[in-house]
Amino acid sequence: GNSVTQMEGPVTLSEEAFLTINCTYTATGYPSLFWYVQYPGEGLQLLLKATKADDKGSNKGFEATYRKETTSFHLEKGSVQVSDSAVYFCALSLNAGGTSYGKLTFGQGTILTVHP
Amino acid sequence: DGGITQSPKYLFRKEGQNVTLSCEQNLNHDAMYWYRQDPGQGLRLIYYSQIVNDFQKGDIAEGYSVSREKKESFPLTVTSAQKNPTAFYLCATASGRDTGELFFGEGSRLTVL
Repeated sequence: GNSVTQMEGPVTLSEEAFLTINCTYTATGYPSLFWYVQYPGEGLQLLLKATKADDKGSNKGFEATYRKETTSFHLEKGSVQVSDSAVYFCALSLNAGGTSYGKLTFGQGTILTVHP
Repeated sequence: DGGITQSPKYLFRKEGQNVTLSCEQNLNHDAMYWYRQDPGQGLRLIYYSQIVNDFQKGDIAEGYSVSREKKESFPLTVTSAQKNPTAFYLCATASGRDTGELFFGEGSRLTVL
């Protein structure tokens, strides 16, 4: 079956530190990959996405590259801010645009806390 | 404003009671989903619907029921058969024209007393 594995948290960083959250996946086909962010008490928001191998998704200073050879989609940011404190979810989707669209498989989430 | 509205935000229930969580959207999206979130377990799919009057079970449908009588609405009923209903419930939609992106509501937190 399909699965997503994220590095365990919580991750605690000082402001302006470099962030990496690892994500690896197992899928039977060629998935689209996503990072979602959840701020306290809220639903999830799409942070970035990549739909094919070697694509790089980026948004708000965050980046992730779809690596087919290592089945990975690690999230990075060069300089985190206190406002980046949230839970980050890696997810995959197969058959995008077909009958299975929206059926995402999520990782367990990684809690990030950034201190001033 | 366009978006997804879930209500109530917080709900308390006694054991043995059914409760219904509301999800309304004005994004004109065809597909709607219910996910359950538990600490350290990510999100798990309960039910989904891609067109009106049709819905499918997700990975953890037991103890839950849904209906899709209107495009805008996809209510979830947590029945007394659900053995561990305390969780955060998230409703989401998808337009079907993108690569699987979901749009989420702000969630409903259900606590069984």
